Amino acid sequence: KAGVTQTPRYLIKTRGQQVTLSCSPISGHRSVSWYQQTPGQGLQFLFEYFSETQRNKGNFPGRFSGRQFSNSRSEMNVSTLELGDSALYLCASSLGAGVEGSPLHFGNGTRLTVT
Amino acid sequence: AQRVTQPEKLLSVFKGAPVELKCNYSYSGSPELFWYVQYSRQRLQLLLRHISRESIKGFTADLNKGETSFHLKKPFAQEEDSAMYYCALRHSNDKVIFGPGTSLSVIP
Repeated sequence: KAGVTQTPRYLIKTRGQQVTLSCSPISGHRSVSWYQQTPGQGLQFLFEYFSETQRNKGNFPGRFSGRQFSNSRSEMNVSTLELGDSALYLCASSLGAGVEGSPLHFGNGTRLTVT
Repeated sequence: AQRVTQPEKLLSVFKGAPVELKCNYSYSGSPELFWYVQYSRQRLQLLLRHISRESIKGFTADLNKGETSFHLKKPFAQEEDSAMYYCALRHSNDKVIFGPGTSLSVIP
């Protein structure tokens, strides 16, 4: 089974621009979660989607948004980029649907640098 | 508020020594706890989960609801255990939050 795939691996953007990151989950996984990872803040939860619906949301401004498609693939978008948005963005998929013990499977991440 | 804490940012132990990585949580419901590990240049991956009560790579973790803890232990540390370890809590609605992580360094 193919793992979680994130594209692109690296992105360099300038302040004020917007960016779209993509995530393809493991086949059969219906839940996709997004995290921002930085050295100072660790892993911060952004949002979680299940069957095209956002079920959970973290404490990030509205500039951060996402969506999930019918094939469970997910995208996240960051508009009006700020320097502080520079981070590794991780996507993780799981079975979801309250399956006890269902772990997260992570992608390699997209490294976003805002200049 | 639900949260996961890992008091040690860095932990260094000698090879062959016991290791314990601490994790405490606050959660009003019945928690599901996990340990994830990130080795150098690898993706974050599951190490173990409390419901399995298993030992993975010599590591074990016991959920102590009274002390709201889920400490990770290994009796004899190996050099290959050097990595970043994250404790995680899964809510009943599938939201998973992580602790700040502990960087374990095993000295040869």
